[in-house]
Amino acid sequence: EAQVTQNPRYLITVTGKKLTVTCSQNMNHEYMSWYRQDPGLGLRQIYYSMNVEVTDKGDVPEGYKVSRKEKRNFPLILESPSPNQTSLYFCASSGGTRGYGYTFGSGTRLTVV
Amino acid sequence: GESVGLHLPTLSVQEGDNSIINCAYSNSASDYFIWYKQESGKGPQFIIDIRSNMDKRQGQRVTVLLNKTVKHLSLQIAATQPGDSAVYFCAESGTSYGKLTFGQGTILTVHP
Repeated sequence: EAQVTQNPRYLITVTGKKLTVTCSQNMNHEYMSWYRQDPGLGLRQIYYSMNVEVTDKGDVPEGYKVSRKEKRNFPLILESPSPNQTSLYFCASSGGTRGYGYTFGSGTRLTVV
Repeated sequence: GESVGLHLPTLSVQEGDNSIINCAYSNSASDYFIWYKQESGKGPQFIIDIRSNMDKRQGQRVTVLLNKTVKHLSLQIAATQPGDSAVYFCAESGTSYGKLTFGQGTILTVHP
C-alpha cells in the first residue's frame, strides 16, 4: 500500500530534550515536506525537500532541522524543543513538481512540557 | 479526534444539497492550487487541483473554479453526503517548487 509513515504518533517530551520524528514514504517520491498544524493557524510548512540532499525552508523553520540522505526518509529534528513547538505535525510526499498531489501521513501529536 | 481549527469559517448543509467552499489567496505569483479534505484525526487528503492556465476543473462530484483576477478559488461539491463532513483547505504553490501554502480551512457539516 502506497503510504507516508510517521513515527511516533504521539510524543510527550520535556523542554530541551532532543527528539526526532521519522517520516518514510514507499512511493519513490522526489518531494517531501513537513508541516505543523495549530488551532486557528492552519497548516504551515516547516521544511521541504525536492530530492536527496536538497532541502529548503518553509514558512516556519526556526527551531527545526531536517535531513534527506535517502529518497524515502525525511526526518524532522528538534534539537532543543520548547513548549511553543507543541503541535500536530504532518509529513507529506509528492512525485510531481510544485507540490502536486501531496500524500500526507497520519500525523504526530507532540507535546513539550 | 484532533482539533484542527478554532474560529474557522463553517458551512452547514443538508444531505443532497450542493456545497460551495471559498478560498481567497494572496500571492499573485501562485500558479498551482490544490483542495484538501481533512477528517478528524487524519492527515489532509488530496481532492482536486488546478493550474493557473485553467479556470475550471471537474472531478467526481467536485468542481474547482479559479478566478485569477480577484485571486479567488472555490470548491463545489455536488449532492453533498454526510461522509463529506470535514475541514477543507485550499493550498497554493508558486515559482518555488515544493513550497505549498495552505489557507486556514472551512468546516463543512452535512446533516442527514
